[in-house]
Amino acid sequence: KAGVTQTPRYLIKTRGQQVTLSCSPISGHRSVSWYQQTPGQGLQFLFEYFSETQRNKGNFPGRFSGRQFSNSRSEMNVSTLELGDSALYLCASSPGTSYNEQFFGPGTRLTVL
Amino acid sequence: AQKITQTQPGMFVQEKEAVTLDCTYDTSDPSYGLFWYKQPSSGEMIFLIYQGSYDQQNATEGRYSLNFQKARKSANLVISASQLGDSAMYFCAMREMAGGGNKLTFGTGTQLKVEL
Repeated sequence: KAGVTQTPRYLIKTRGQQVTLSCSPISGHRSVSWYQQTPGQGLQFLFEYFSETQRNKGNFPGRFSGRQFSNSRSEMNVSTLELGDSALYLCASSPGTSYNEQFFGPGTRLTVL
Repeated sequence: AQKITQTQPGMFVQEKEAVTLDCTYDTSDPSYGLFWYKQPSSGEMIFLIYQGSYDQQNATEGRYSLNFQKARKSANLVISASQLGDSAMYFCAMREMAGGGNKLTFGTGTQLKVEL
């Protein structure tokens, strides 16, 4: 089985721009969660999608949004980028909710200049 | 209050020795799950082991075992027979069932270095 894939792997943007990151979960998995990892704040939960519906949302401003498609692929969007948005963005895939398995992708490293 | 606390920012261990990475947690939810992940310098989070709050026995996965002490709210990871490839950052995480879904709360991590 193929693992979780994230594209792109690296991204450089400038302040004020917007960015879209993509995550394809493991085949058959219907839940996708997104996390932001920074040296200062550590790993923080952004949101989770299950069957195209947002189930949970972390404490991030409205500039951070996401969606999930019928094939379970998910995208997250960050608008009006700020320097502090520079981070590793990880997505995690799970068969459903409250499963013991949550597998992460390799991440997208976003740099905002 | 911190929900997941990892008090060891860095640890050193000799190859082939065992090492324990500490994790304590705080929750009022009677139903929760505890996870350990390994993050090498490449950045990918690798799932190691899972312990459910109602599991009677400590979880084990190969060289990894979880020392679950529910009353103390601790979930320490034990790595036996350390290998050079075990050098990485290790994160403890918790999922609270009351919140629903798969949201994980992570600790700050422990950087493990395995030496010859």
